[in-house]
Amino acid sequence: RKEVEQDPGPFNVPEGATVAFNCTYSNSASQSFFWYRQDCRKEPKLLMSVYSSGNEDGRFTAQLNRASQYISLLIRDSKLSDSATYLCVVSSGNTPLVFGKGTRLSVIA
Amino acid sequence: EPEVTQTPSHQVTQMGQEVILRCVPISNHLYFYWYRQILGQKVEFLVSFYNNEISEKSEIFDDQFSVERPDGSNFTLKIRSTKLEDSAMYFCASSEIVGAAITYEQYFGPGTRLTVT
Repeated sequence: RKEVEQDPGPFNVPEGATVAFNCTYSNSASQSFFWYRQDCRKEPKLLMSVYSSGNEDGRFTAQLNRASQYISLLIRDSKLSDSATYLCVVSSGNTPLVFGKGTRLSVIA
Repeated sequence: EPEVTQTPSHQVTQMGQEVILRCVPISNHLYFYWYRQILGQKVEFLVSFYNNEISEKSEIFDDQFSVERPDGSNFTLKIRSTKLEDSAMYFCASSEIVGAAITYEQYFGPGTRLTVT
């Protein structure tokens, strides 16, 4: 069973749309959860940490459901610059990050 | 904004040669990591380093790999005898320690693209 699973996409959405990604993780001991974004052939960049109570950063909202072991990311009012691969990442305390394979998003004008 | 830097950005080497990839972590960070990403695949953990020693390593990190912090700023990954399958993007990352607590957010460098021919 894959440790972190994501729908690979691609998600092709028009500018201004709302798009949501989900991710499931297998290790119930996971304690830290993140969304990173990765542009083609670039490094992963931290988008946001995901807290149990859910958190919002501008147009981005992340939710965590520990019981079901899934994490979500909602992007409102999509911009062209949001086009990237979104990586779901988990860790169990100060252990290495475990990455999902990513979900590709293309925002179209 | 402080950032992790890596050199070189691209390294081409022949099979069997040794390579050293260099990283300068963010200056107040004390936990360092190497990850790799084979083209089209997910990012995979190689090794973590804290207090001048390896704290954890994956099964990928075999005897051909070693890490070192030769001075107060650099953090290096050495591959002794490269194989074709070592071709990948290698990312260095670092995270901060605040008091006794470790913040788990890791910040990545731009990567070194290693091509083994």
